[in-house]
Amino acid sequence: NAGVTQTPKFQVLKTGQSMTLQCAQDMNHNSMYWYRQDPGMGLRLIYYSASEGTTDKGEVPNGYNVSRLNKREFSLRLESAAPSQTSVYFCASRGQVSSYEQYFGPGTRLTVT
Amino acid sequence: GENVEQHPSTLSVQEGDSAVIKCTYSDSASNYFPWYKQELGKGPQLIIDIRSNVGEKKDQRIAVTLNKTAKHFSLHITETQPEDSAVYFCAAGPIGLGYSTLTFGKGTMLLVSP
Repeated sequence: NAGVTQTPKFQVLKTGQSMTLQCAQDMNHNSMYWYRQDPGMGLRLIYYSASEGTTDKGEVPNGYNVSRLNKREFSLRLESAAPSQTSVYFCASRGQVSSYEQYFGPGTRLTVT
Repeated sequence: GENVEQHPSTLSVQEGDSAVIKCTYSDSASNYFPWYKQELGKGPQLIIDIRSNVGEKKDQRIAVTLNKTAKHFSLHITETQPEDSAVYFCAAGPIGLGYSTLTFGKGTMLLVSP
């Protein structure tokens, strides 16, 4: 069991470039999340997917799009990167309704210059 | 929406001392309160959680207390060890029949000196 995997681990973009962050889980979890972590700001929810085929905005969705490709995969896309999107991005997943623990991936460190 | 405040932002203790981190929340609908530990370069990992029908929960050296009336909950670590050094996050959210999300505090960096 690899748990939650994220690619890439590190990425440097120039302002205006686009990229997709990939996330996959092998725990057969229904729900998946994308967070960003900035110094002194904690974890802020960008988008989430309660189940395959559904996505919803979180606290800070502007500038991002997501795709729940299938039950395993949930990707985050930056269409036109901005320096304000420099952050560490975490993907997480959660199992059945009765289980509330979120399992986090190792993160992607993104720098936008 | 929910607002979670966490204090202190940094906490330094000597090995063997106790450490306490406090959080407050604003939404009365929140009934689930987990604590996550994040080691350097890794993703957060759940260490303990509590639901609003319970006032206290303990797991070896860590314990969490909840005061629903005052809307605050705390993490207590006893007999701290250097490997307890990490960033700790509290969170709050409603759980039940429907779907829910968590709101996280801003984190506390705990440093345990040998």
